[in-house]
Amino acid sequence: QQPVQSPQAVILREGEDAVINCSSSKALYSVHWYRQKHGEAPVFLMILLKGGEQKGHEKISASFNEKKQQSSLYLTASQLSYSGTYFCGTEIEAGSARQLTFGSGTQLTVLP
Amino acid sequence: NAGVTQTPKFQVLKTGQSMTLQCAQDMNHEYMSWYRQDPGMGLRLIHYSVGAGITDQGEVPNGYNVSRSTTEDFPLRLLSAAPSQTSVYFCASRLLRTGNEQFFGPGTRLTVL
Repeated sequence: QQPVQSPQAVILREGEDAVINCSSSKALYSVHWYRQKHGEAPVFLMILLKGGEQKGHEKISASFNEKKQQSSLYLTASQLSYSGTYFCGTEIEAGSARQLTFGSGTQLTVLP
Repeated sequence: NAGVTQTPKFQVLKTGQSMTLQCAQDMNHEYMSWYRQDPGMGLRLIHYSVGAGITDQGEVPNGYNVSRSTTEDFPLRLLSAAPSQTSVYFCASRLLRTGNEQFFGPGTRLTVL
């Protein structure tokens, strides 16, 4: 039931753009995006609810295609601080409780 | 607010030993969960709870027990540690209603010899 992320790894130069994709075989209630630096805990970036909403946070935005059960994270004009592993987490409706399960991650490296 | 706290930060066990990983949050979150993180495997859900007295299994529950006697605390017990349980363990919490971010604790790095 884990969502599938692609690509597994991306290497960019500072200022370049990147897209990270997340897909699920299940109907989704929401998609969460997190970033994790080496040796640290994951940190929340944004959440998208079903309804095809697009959200943005500075130069990082995301979309959610409810019909395809897919979400994409867009990193524009990447900065060195964007380096880390990005995880999407997905919720499906499971009775009164919603499990949040994560993909295997996309390792993003931004070079100067 | 301290957020989500976990103890210990590091632990080494021998095969067959038991131990409890502690997790606490001070944000009055109903939902708490435990994940393990192995290289290349992402975060895998072990157990979760939607409130005091209510727990359920996640993706990889075997070898682990949990209980939730209070809103604040959600300990994870390893009954008989195995080398396959060597991992980094993260506790997390959030409000249960729609659209809320999940907060992670700093993690516990566990090695089973």
